[in-house]
Amino acid sequence: DVKVTQSSRYLVKRTGEKVFLECVQDMDHENMFWYRQDPGLGLRLIYFSYDVKMKEKGDIPEGYSVSREKKERFSLILESASTNQTSMYLCASRDRTGVRNTIYFGEGSWLTVV
Amino acid sequence: DQQVKQNSPSLSVQEGRISILNCDYTNSMFDYFLWYKKYPAEGPTFLISISSIKDKNEDGRFTVFLNKSAKHLSLHIVPSQPGDSAVYFCATKPRGSARQLTFGSGTQLTVLP
Repeated sequence: DVKVTQSSRYLVKRTGEKVFLECVQDMDHENMFWYRQDPGLGLRLIYFSYDVKMKEKGDIPEGYSVSREKKERFSLILESASTNQTSMYLCASRDRTGVRNTIYFGEGSWLTVV
Repeated sequence: DQQVKQNSPSLSVQEGRISILNCDYTNSMFDYFLWYKKYPAEGPTFLISISSIKDKNEDGRFTVFLNKSAKHLSLHIVPSQPGDSAVYFCATKPRGSARQLTFGSGTQLTVLP
């Protein structure tokens, strides 16, 4: 069964703090993604990675960076958290040869920046 | 500029009736379309998809219709059940691209018992 695990479900951080959101998938997928979900805005892509050590900016990369040192792990980093980064963050993965382009999501990480 | 639009943020339907969720897209290069369902505090899960070479795909109570000339996608749920209450996102992918999916803003479906 497909499994994407996000290490933290709920976090509260202070403005200016560095925040790490970790994501692990057990499906040997090449592609991994970080989205954020905000009411009325749907799912917006922050960064994605085609393979280990490869990354590309999505639609809203400002204020974020990522790290993919191992195939199964994709980390999202907020260098200096701000209140407008309060959101639900969703990690996802996909097999590049993927069954009908389906991507699989983790359960999400709720981040509140105060 | 939103390439994928779900113009109805919410929809309420009586149990047993049909739910119709709509999605419009602007890019004629999109060639694959998917619907995801999301419960609160959970990640989205894949529901059903359709390729641009088809105009209909059915899976149990769920049917997706694609009207390429109108650039319109719809999801029909018949009969609707209270457990179908969730946010539904449509998503698309451009032809020949391994790039990520583009999602709509979502529609909150509430099925009333």
